[in-house]
Amino acid sequence: AQSVTQPDIHITVSEGASLELRCNYSYGATPYLFWYVQSPGQGLQLLLKYFSGDTLVQGIKGFEAEFKRSQSSFNLRKPSVHWSDAAEYFCAGIGGGATNKLIFGTGTLLAVQP
Amino acid sequence: DGGITQSPKYLFRKEGQNVTLSCEQNLNHDAMYWYRQDPGQGLRLIYYSQIVNDFQKGDIAEGYSVSREKKESFPLTVTSAQKNPTAFYLCASSDRGAYGYTFGSGTRLTVV
Repeated sequence: AQSVTQPDIHITVSEGASLELRCNYSYGATPYLFWYVQSPGQGLQLLLKYFSGDTLVQGIKGFEAEFKRSQSSFNLRKPSVHWSDAAEYFCAGIGGGATNKLIFGTGTLLAVQP
Repeated sequence: DGGITQSPKYLFRKEGQNVTLSCEQNLNHDAMYWYRQDPGQGLRLIYYSQIVNDFQKGDIAEGYSVSREKKESFPLTVTSAQKNPTAFYLCASSDRGAYGYTFGSGTRLTVV
């Protein structure tokens, strides 16, 4: 079955430190992959997406993600975290076919220490 | 500006009552979706619609109903048959060609 897994439920980093959030996918073919961010009580904002081509994808707010087919991963990175990055992050994928159904991971809650 | 409007932001209902959540988009997107979010469970798909007058069940459709009479609107009714309706509900829309979703700001439903 198609699935997206985020192994880390909660991560705490210090402000200014680098960040990597993990995401693994399970699809029959290469899926379209997305990272979203959600502030408390709000909707989801798209950070970046991967469809094909260059495996390193740049997004908004200084985030990037790298698609690694050999590891079935699409990890999100940021070189220096700001306190305003504290939020919940969701990895999601679409497996193609007749519908655009987006399948979400369970999310990673990021806390930023001063 | 184009976007998705969900209303109300907060909703309280007594147990056993049906309640309807509103979702309106002015993005001219063909497809619309309803997700339910619970802590630690991510987002789970309730219903989706790819075209007017047509919709499909998602993974957790029991106790919910929808309609799609207009392209812009996709209301969700939480019925009394839904055993645990208290949750955060998110509506989204997409242009099928772009494979990207736009989300509303959500409705938090509390049933007491």
